[in-house]
Amino acid sequence: DTGVSQDPRHKITKRGQNVTFRCDPISEHNRLYWYRQTLGQGPEFLTYFQNEAQLEKSRLLSDRFSAERPKGSFSTLEIQRTEQGDSAMYLCASSRGTGWDEQYFGPGTRLTVT
Amino acid sequence: EDQVTQSPEALRLQEGESSSLNCSYTVSGLRGLFWYRQDPGKGPEFLFTLYSAGEEKEKERLKATLTKKESFLHITAPKPEDSATYLCAVQAGGSEKLVFGKGTKLTVNP
Repeated sequence: DTGVSQDPRHKITKRGQNVTFRCDPISEHNRLYWYRQTLGQGPEFLTYFQNEAQLEKSRLLSDRFSAERPKGSFSTLEIQRTEQGDSAMYLCASSRGTGWDEQYFGPGTRLTVT
Repeated sequence: EDQVTQSPEALRLQEGESSSLNCSYTVSGLRGLFWYRQDPGKGPEFLFTLYSAGEEKEKERLKATLTKKESFLHITAPKPEDSATYLCAVQAGGSEKLVFGKGTKLTVNP
């Protein structure tokens, strides 16, 4: 396994701009998750996919956020009209999807909204 | 609502000084309790999964235990490289999401 990869690792954007992040899960992992983490807090769940189907979304995922996993492999998370409160580390994780299995996290994308 | 509380928030130890980190939880139908290690600026690294009360798992200097209300991460004879933030998370029945605590920041001085 090569691990979960995320791109970019860092993103600085101005308020009101749109940003998109990419996540490549561990190969053959069916489930993919997005979390957000702010300083001094644990990760907070945003959404998850089973293959290409988005099965669960958090109340944190406002209308400005959208996630896709079109072919059941990589996923993208887009934030439209960014706000300063969106500044955080965005983490992606994947799991095999065979029941009670652990989630493996990527290195994260650090977003700074100025 | 599922909740996870970790204590202490920060812990400083001398190398070789054993201690324990606590994770208290309230969850509707526990499917699993997870421990992760997180280094600054990096994603969480999976350590253990515990599924039922009484279960224990070990890895090097770390040992995780689980009761019906809390979990402990015991660190035996820690080394400076064990310095990190340790995160506890629960997964409830009917959901795939992990609910995390705020973590315990461990510093081990040489």
